[in-house]
Amino acid sequence: EVQLLESGGGLVQPGGSLRLSCAVSGFTFSIYHVSWVRQAPGKGLEWVSAISGSGDNTYYADSVRGRFTISRDNSKNTLYLQMSSLRAEDTAIYYCAKRSRANGGCFDYWGQGTLVTVSS
Amino acid sequence: EIVMTQSPATVSVSPGERATLSCRASQGVFSNLVWYQQKPGQAPRLLISDVSTRATGIPPRFSGSGSGTEFTLTISSLQSEDFAVYYCQQYTQWPLTFGGGTKVEIK
Repeated sequence: EVQLLESGGGLVQPGGSLRLSCAVSGFTFSIYHVSWVRQAPGKGLEWVSAISGSGDNTYYADSVRGRFTISRDNSKNTLYLQMSSLRAEDTAIYYCAKRSRANGGCFDYWGQGTLVTVSS
Repeated sequence: EIVMTQSPATVSVSPGERATLSCRASQGVFSNLVWYQQKPGQAPRLLISDVSTRATGIPPRFSGSGSGTEFTLTISSLQSEDFAVYYCQQYTQWPLTFGGGTKVEIK
């Protein structure tokens, strides 16, 4: 059974930093692209960042480029999102999601999400 | 960036009736179009990928169609568990982009 479990969310002050983790199981993690997708309270879905199976290629939304860093540890089956210079508009539930194909496709599995609140 | 536009924002439907949801892309996305369902407090769930391929366990009352820039999700006979928000998304190019969602509510 494929599972993705996010952790690391919480309350952080504007300008602060936070690292999210996503532990996965049930599939060969090192083969698949994985992403972070967020959802602000009462709003729609926004893709944030993606990383290739090897970790060699990373992709970012303009809204987070230069502030967020995606990484992965294939030996630990874990995806990370290092977030810095956080702003109020980064407040959202952050989901990790697996792509359906090794080099692309849709998101076929999602975690339950972790809430990040940026507020003073 | 490919902009995805969904319409209507909200549709009110009686149980047993048909619902038709639209998704338009600002440029062609080939067959790289997916639909997700999201219920309150839950993560999105894959419904239909590659325009028209139902995911495992998705009942046949859900169907997807379209090509190029115009796509449609049809729910042929709404059941109580289908009242939710539906999102389309393109995966043709970076950045991956979602539509704003269509809420299907009980009439």
